[in-house]
Amino acid sequence: AQSVSQHNHHVILSEAASLELGCNYSYGGTVNLFWYVQYPGQHLQLLLKYFSGDPLVKGIKGFEAEFIKSKFSFNLRKPSVQWSDTAEYFCAVNAAGTASKLTFGTGTRLQVTL
Amino acid sequence: NAGVTQTPKFQVLKTGQSMTLQCAQDMNHEYMSWYRQDPGMGLRLIHYSVGAGITDQGEVPNGYNVSRSTTEDFPLRLLSAAPSQTSVYFCASSYGSYHGELFFGEGSRLTVL
Repeated sequence: AQSVSQHNHHVILSEAASLELGCNYSYGGTVNLFWYVQYPGQHLQLLLKYFSGDPLVKGIKGFEAEFIKSKFSFNLRKPSVQWSDTAEYFCAVNAAGTASKLTFGTGTRLQVTL
Repeated sequence: NAGVTQTPKFQVLKTGQSMTLQCAQDMNHEYMSWYRQDPGMGLRLIHYSVGAGITDQGEVPNGYNVSRSTTEDFPLRLLSAAPSQTSVYFCASSYGSYHGELFFGEGSRLTVL
């Protein structure tokens, strides 16, 4: 079975600072990788996803993530955060062919201050 | 297009009571799942379904039942509620088996006293 680790539990940044959230997974086979965001009081929304091809994927709202297979990592980045990026961010993985069985990390709470 | 719809949004139960959380999707997705979200634990898979008439257990299935009689609906039943089932529950659906991303409902906050 796959597992996901998010090392940063709570991150506080000032507006315009750069963001990088770590995500590592463990699974020996082919995986699909996702980052979801949950704004306060809302449901999860997809930020970006990686299935195959270019390991640098771009998502909504200026977010990007890089899949490094040798490190089993899928870190999320944004060059300049905004106050509206305050939310909880979840990395998730599923084994290819198991769309319903997504395994989530414990989440990183991002707080952006003005 | 409503997407994934969950009802109720809030519910308070007493220990031992039973209830059903409803989930419906109008995207003709084959795959549906139920997750629970607890502080510091992320989301954990309770049950999932790969099509009408087919269900299977996830990571934390104890105390919950599901059925999938139609493609659209995937209700989650709590048989005898316990305080440990206090959580936020999310239903999700997916269009594909290989590369499908999950679309989530707005969640149901359940408190068991």
